[in-house]
Amino acid sequence: GAVVSQHPSWVICKSGTSVKIECRSLDFQATTMFWYRQFPKQSLMLMATSNEGSKATYEQGVEKDKFLINHASLTLSTLTVTSAHPEDSSFYICSASPGQYNSPLHFGNGTRLTVT
Amino acid sequence: SQQGEEDPQALSIQEGENATMNCSYKTSINNLQWYRQNSGRGLVHLILIRSNEREKHSGRLRVTLDTSKKSSSLLITASRAADTASYFCATDSRNQGGKLIFGQGTELSVKP
Repeated sequence: GAVVSQHPSWVICKSGTSVKIECRSLDFQATTMFWYRQFPKQSLMLMATSNEGSKATYEQGVEKDKFLINHASLTLSTLTVTSAHPEDSSFYICSASPGQYNSPLHFGNGTRLTVT
Repeated sequence: SQQGEEDPQALSIQEGENATMNCSYKTSINNLQWYRQNSGRGLVHLILIRSNEREKHSGRLRVTLDTSKKSSSLLITASRAADTASYFCATDSRNQGGKLIFGQGTELSVKP
């Protein structure tokens, strides 16, 4: 089945630093990738839609300068949390779509970000 | 933004019992999907049901879809302790580029 690899699985960083999270589709080309954020005991909130070769589309309330998304190839999208603060601590999950109509998304295993 | 609601928010049952989770949504959809999430992990896709389908089965899972009521249900039969997880419905709405919007989720606990 389709595999999405997300790295790192967890990261601890200090306030003010930036953190990059990678999302790779290992055995298929992903024209579109989605980035979600999940707080403890809550659902997944869509942050942005990443399209290969074009600018990401951010959901309302998500700061594009805070959460930089780059989708430079059909197999890799990155999310950079810039100038991280403790309130950015969360579980970030990427998902990838092979672009087929009515097909499920494939999710990475998530990245647990802790900002101290 | 959240598409809708799931109920119950938490469900605790004994092994062997059936578990039913419900999901409601607000917009017209292409399909509705159910996912499972173990604590601190990514999501595993369970079933996708298209807007023109009413019922779908996969092993011990049965999903129904009522587009007139904008609701879906997930039934897990003969539950096992290993079914303990959070279950989310997610909708692929029309003209939204394939993005999924998730419900609030149901936390299922199956006691041995």
